[in-house]
Amino acid sequence: AQTVTQSQPEMSVQEAETVTLSCTYDTSESDYYLFWYKQPPSRQMILVIRQEAYKQQNATENRFSVNFQKAAKSFSLKISDSQLGDAAMYFCAYWEVYGQNFVFGPGTRLSVLP
Amino acid sequence: SQTIHQWPATLVQPVGSPLSLECTVEGTSNPNLYWYRQAAGRGLQLLFYSVGIGQISSEVPQNLSASRPQDRQFILSSKKLLLSDSGFYLCAWSVRRNYNEQFFGPGTRLTVL
Repeated sequence: AQTVTQSQPEMSVQEAETVTLSCTYDTSESDYYLFWYKQPPSRQMILVIRQEAYKQQNATENRFSVNFQKAAKSFSLKISDSQLGDAAMYFCAYWEVYGQNFVFGPGTRLSVLP
Repeated sequence: SQTIHQWPATLVQPVGSPLSLECTVEGTSNPNLYWYRQAAGRGLQLLFYSVGIGQISSEVPQNLSASRPQDRQFILSSKKLLLSDSGFYLCAWSVRRNYNEQFFGPGTRLTVL
């Protein structure tokens, strides 16, 4: 079965600095998607960024970018110019193409210090 | 545009009482539907998913059940709640194609006393 691991339960970053959240996963499939979701205190889950496994180019969305290492099964999220509104739980998730369900990691709680 | 609704937003129930949480999706047809539970400070645990009316797959054996009486309606139920059922319940939907993203509802906070 696929698993997603986030080894950092909590992290903190100074406002305007850069932080990287780690995620590793285990799968024998070659065709899948990876996601980072953000859950602020409101508890609403928000998609931050997605990466298709067949694409070598790392996905980027404004201040958010990923470092996708398919051979190492690693999918880290980099947040640049951190803002107070970035404080949230961040979940890494895996979805297998032709599969029916997502697998979520346990989450990393990010604090942004003023 | 698509929207997803969950109710109630919060619920306090005694142990042994029944449960019914409802989720509805608007603006799309034939979605995949999901129920997740998030315990305090924990990640998301997939409970059930459905690819069509009356089609339910269970990921975790427990005293909860799910039903999909209509295409865009997903219900989470229990006949007798346990203390361990407390948590935050999230409903989500996704389109049924190769490209997938899950859209989450606002959630229901359930406290079992």
